Amino acid sequence: GQQVMQIPQYQHVQEGEDFTTYCNSSTTLSNIQWYKQRPGGHPVFLIQLVKSGEVKKQKRLTFQFGEAKKNSSLHITATQTTDVGTYFCVSIQGAQKLVFGQGTRLTINP
Amino acid sequence: DAGVTQSPTHLIKTRGQQVTLRCSPKSGHDTVSWYQQALGQGPQFIFQYYEEEERQRGNFPDRFSGHQFPNYSSELNVNALLLGDSALYLCASSYAPGRGYEQYFGPGTRLTVT
Repeated sequence: GQQVMQIPQYQHVQEGEDFTTYCNSSTTLSNIQWYKQRPGGHPVFLIQLVKSGEVKKQKRLTFQFGEAKKNSSLHITATQTTDVGTYFCVSIQGAQKLVFGQGTRLTINP
Repeated sequence: DAGVTQSPTHLIKTRGQQVTLRCSPKSGHDTVSWYQQALGQGPQFIFQYYEEEERQRGNFPDRFSGHQFPNYSSELNVNALLLGDSALYLCASSYAPGRGYEQYFGPGTRLTVT
C-alpha cells in the first residue's frame, strides 16, 4: 500500500517561530490530505492536494505537493499556541480509505 | 447541524468480552469509516460501510465486524477482546466517492480492556 512517512516525529518551538513537517512516500500518490488533531481531540481535515507541484495556503499555513507527487510539506509561519497538536499527512487508497502517517507532534512554548 | 456523534464516550471491558460502539454520521453523509488509534499513533483504518455493505477493510481480524443501518448510522463490534484492543475508536463520515473527499471524524470512543 501507499505508506507515508513523516518527519520529524516531534517538534517544539517558541511561539512566533516557524514550523515545517515533511511527508514522504516511496510510491507516487494520487493525492494527499492533511489533518490536525488537537490533544485529546479528533482529526480535523485541513486540505487536499491533487496536482503535481500544487501549493495551497490557508492564512499562516502553506501546503505543498511535490513535483513527483511523492512528497508533501506543511509549513506554519509565526506559530501561535492554537497551532499545538499533531499534524498528519494522509494518503487515500481505494474508495476513501485513509492511510495516516505517524504524525508530527507540535508543542509550543508561549 | 450535528456533526458526527459516537457513543459511548468511554468504555471499560474485560479481556474476552464483546463490545459494540455506535456512530451517527454527519447529516447528508452516507459513508461511514472506522479507525483505531492507539496512544501516540496515527489512526488505522478498520473498515468502511456504504449502502449497508462493507466496502473496504483494513488489516484487522474477523473479531472486528460492523454494520450500517438504513439511516446510515453504523456499529462496530469487537469480539473476544484482547488487551491490545485498548485504543481510541474513531468514526468518520463522508459523502460517497465522487461527491466529496473530506472525512469528518467524531470525538471517538475510548476503550480500555483490562
